[in-house]
Amino acid sequence: KNQVEQSPQSLIILEGKNCTLQCNYTVSPFSNLRWYKQDTGRGPVSLTIMTFSENTKSNGRYTATLDADTKQSSLHITASQLSDSASYICVVTQTSYDKVIFGPGTSLSVIP
Amino acid sequence: GAGVSQSPSNKVTEKGKDVELRCDPISGHTALYWYRQSLGQGLEFLIYFQGNSAPDKSGLPSDRFSAERTGGSVSTLTIQRTQQEDSAVYLCASSLGVGRSYNEQFFGPGTRLTVL
Repeated sequence: KNQVEQSPQSLIILEGKNCTLQCNYTVSPFSNLRWYKQDTGRGPVSLTIMTFSENTKSNGRYTATLDADTKQSSLHITASQLSDSASYICVVTQTSYDKVIFGPGTSLSVIP
Repeated sequence: GAGVSQSPSNKVTEKGKDVELRCDPISGHTALYWYRQSLGQGLEFLIYFQGNSAPDKSGLPSDRFSAERTGGSVSTLTIQRTQQEDSAVYLCASSLGVGRSYNEQFFGPGTRLTVL
């Protein structure tokens, strides 16, 4: 079954600290993996995209990694800011059907 | 427009009434998606339109839910005989099309539906 799992479900960190969010997937055949950020009351916004051959991608303080062999991805946030408080969603696209499968998200709270 | 727009932003209705939710995708985007998000939960896929192909309706939870996309642009999600469990935020997204370079989904602000 094609699934995307994320951990932790929620996370609270102090402003300025780093954190890493995890994504495991069983989607096959694999096309690409995106991380989205969803602020409260808003729609998700894409942060990064990685394909099979890419194992790291950065977007400012956000760095995503991909291990296509173990089917794992991580999103690392450096020097967190209060505005990083949001839900982070891992999304995997399946090649054959262009089907997009969303993970349940990790809720991140950055506190002063 | 500059982004995906949805209307209304909020809708309160009585149980048993029908509702229509509207989505205006980004001009030129051939793919359009509807999702439902209950409070504190992840996105639940409802339906997907791609160009002139038959829509993927596999996520619709019951036959009370239907959607159409006229002229390959505006889409309407209709919920008939609403139930309290239909209360959620309904999100619409569009993308340029298929393929890794084109499948970034751009989301609208959502419609918050409350069924009393």
